[in-house]
Amino acid sequence: DAKTTQPPSMDCAEGRAANLPCNHSTISGNEYVYWYRQIHSQGPQYIIHGLKNNETNEMASLIITEDRKSSTLILPHATLRDTAVYYCIVRANRDDKIIFGKGTRLHILP
Amino acid sequence: DGGITQSPKYLFRKEGQNVTLSCEQNLNHDAMYWYRQDPGQGLRLIYYSQIVNDFQKGDIAEGYSVSREKKESFPLTVTSAQKNPTAFYLCASSIGRQGGQPQHFGDGTRLSIL
Repeated sequence: DAKTTQPPSMDCAEGRAANLPCNHSTISGNEYVYWYRQIHSQGPQYIIHGLKNNETNEMASLIITEDRKSSTLILPHATLRDTAVYYCIVRANRDDKIIFGKGTRLHILP
Repeated sequence: DGGITQSPKYLFRKEGQNVTLSCEQNLNHDAMYWYRQDPGQGLRLIYYSQIVNDFQKGDIAEGYSVSREKKESFPLTVTSAQKNPTAFYLCASSIGRQGGQPQHFGDGTRLSIL
């Protein structure tokens, strides 16, 4: 079973920041938080990951709370191409598989 | 460009026929994985390999076989023993287990039964 809880769907206006929340209250000290997204009929695309510090790359920012029980993925300027299902995953180094939950279906509105 | 290539994109199989799905990566990754995704569902791990000439069963290995003769290649054979093979098959790779390295995915092969 997935160790994360995400809202099933969200809307965001094009050009605005999309903030996708994720709860992972049972996360262990050695588990990382990963974010992927899947556009229809394509493979999941890796976005970003972090352990306890906030992270930023060319795609997004990841904000992890101090107690590590929740995180937020931020897409700073959403475009129509960001419409996808976004998955928040916790995984330790020793884990060989990724367990995808149901994710959040993000709709970008023109 | 570096990446993971899966072929073919669409594949049709007759009843009782074995088919092989190709997965090639030029990322110099040690680890490779095969997942299956059914409509509206998450990914389920079929097989994985952490190093050449070694592989392990995942959660749903029955009816599937793999080989890892080269670092860059990890083909998956769907045998006639797999009773419900219609699904979206995804291959992934990662540097390895160290340092929280992410898995990167190919664009998948969609297998259908005729």
